[in-house]
Amino acid sequence: SAVISQKPSRDICQRGTSLTIQCQVDSQVTMMFWYRQQPGQSLTLIATANQGSEATYESGFVIDKFPISRPNLTFSTLTVSNMSPEDSSIYLCSVRPGQGADTQYFGPGTRLTVL
Amino acid sequence: AQSVTQLGSHVSVSEGALVLLRCNYSSSVPPYLFWYVQYPNQGLQLLLKYTSAATLVKGINGFEAEFKKSETSFHLTKPSAHMSDAAEYFCAANTGGFKTIFGAGTRLFVKA
Repeated sequence: SAVISQKPSRDICQRGTSLTIQCQVDSQVTMMFWYRQQPGQSLTLIATANQGSEATYESGFVIDKFPISRPNLTFSTLTVSNMSPEDSSIYLCSVRPGQGADTQYFGPGTRLTVL
Repeated sequence: AQSVTQLGSHVSVSEGALVLLRCNYSSSVPPYLFWYVQYPNQGLQLLLKYTSAATLVKGINGFEAEFKKSETSFHLTKPSAHMSDAAEYFCAANTGGFKTIFGAGTRLFVKA
């Protein structure tokens, strides 16, 4: 298993600004994922961030808008850049410690409101 | 293409009644299947998972799910609902790759 913490837990930001979300895992994991969960909706994968390689972004998400860092096997950051109200959402960090199609573990999420 | 369909965005049951949350998957190969629960203002927590062993899988908090290949289903059940079961439930599937596909979610309401 894995225990994940995220900072901040919530924030209210002005449009045009940027916010960096931190994700800390209590063990070393290779596979890390960032998701967006808009109000009342399911999870949408933003990108996969594996240590030692560039993040892989899903269709509709670009590095300029959502730059990701993965400096080591226990930590990652996601930045939401040049925010607009449409970016208001919950952002979730997730890891998969095992191989293949093993269980994913999720952080508590960062609730972002953009005014 | 792989997909997960959860029937019913909202399900309401009385306390003590049977809980049944439906999930169907579409996949060219047998997937690994998961049920996650999300309580308000929290991340997702694994309830149970199917990984090609026993077709009836028991999870935490009295939940279980049965994999039926002929019906491509993985429905979640609990014999007797408790108020604390009120939450959002997500079915998910993975065929061994990087991506886990999540269903749209079902919000469970439990009435006293």
